[in-house]
Amino acid sequence: ETGVTQTPRHLVMGMTNKKSLKCEQHLGHNAMYWYKQSAKKPLELMFVYSLEERVENNSVPSRFSPECPNSSHLFLHLHTLQPEDSALYLCASSQGIAAPYEQYFGPGTRLTVT
Amino acid sequence: AQSVTQLGSHVSVSEGALVLLRCNYSSSVPPYLFWYVQYPNQGLQLLLKYTSAATLVKGINGFEAEFKKSETSFHLTKPSAHMSDAAEYFCAVSDRLTQGGSEKLVFGKGTKLTVNP
Repeated sequence: ETGVTQTPRHLVMGMTNKKSLKCEQHLGHNAMYWYKQSAKKPLELMFVYSLEERVENNSVPSRFSPECPNSSHLFLHLHTLQPEDSALYLCASSQGIAAPYEQYFGPGTRLTVT
Repeated sequence: AQSVTQLGSHVSVSEGALVLLRCNYSSSVPPYLFWYVQYPNQGLQLLLKYTSAATLVKGINGFEAEFKKSETSFHLTKPSAHMSDAAEYFCAVSDRLTQGGSEKLVFGKGTKLTVNP
């Protein structure tokens, strides 16, 4: 595997379910990110981790819970989601959190909440 | 806070024609600027970035962008469009995170490019 991988690629869940999204980066980077991409809206930064420490929580509802057990893995735990949470969730990594380090994105998880 | 505006949510060109995708930014400090491309069912891929060196930045796949401070613009161009260029393009500017003074990317809403045969 190379780059940034995300699993699953597609997820359908009910509002009472609990699920997790997984991201893994194979680039030796120190920073990882979760973004939400909704139709007709700019990418929304959700969480930033640097060296496994959360450095940004961008006013995200508590029904989204991130976890970064090491610098290569990032999870997004989901529970009691709402239909408006349906979106493409993108994971990214970068060498550091200072610009102008570029971010490398995974293919995303398409989440549908029913 | 920094921001970007992409003019035109959809742009359509003929194969072989010039591609011009517009991006204007707002920044209180010299910015770092980026163009990303997203192909269907894929994540974002960096095309090019401006880091205050040369104002004309060359990227992958024949794309380039020119930083114009006086116009606060960073438009993306390609002399001759190819069918494979059909995708969504995002302009982004760096902004500071709320903690630690580090940077984050602020993205525009994107421009979807269609290339007609």
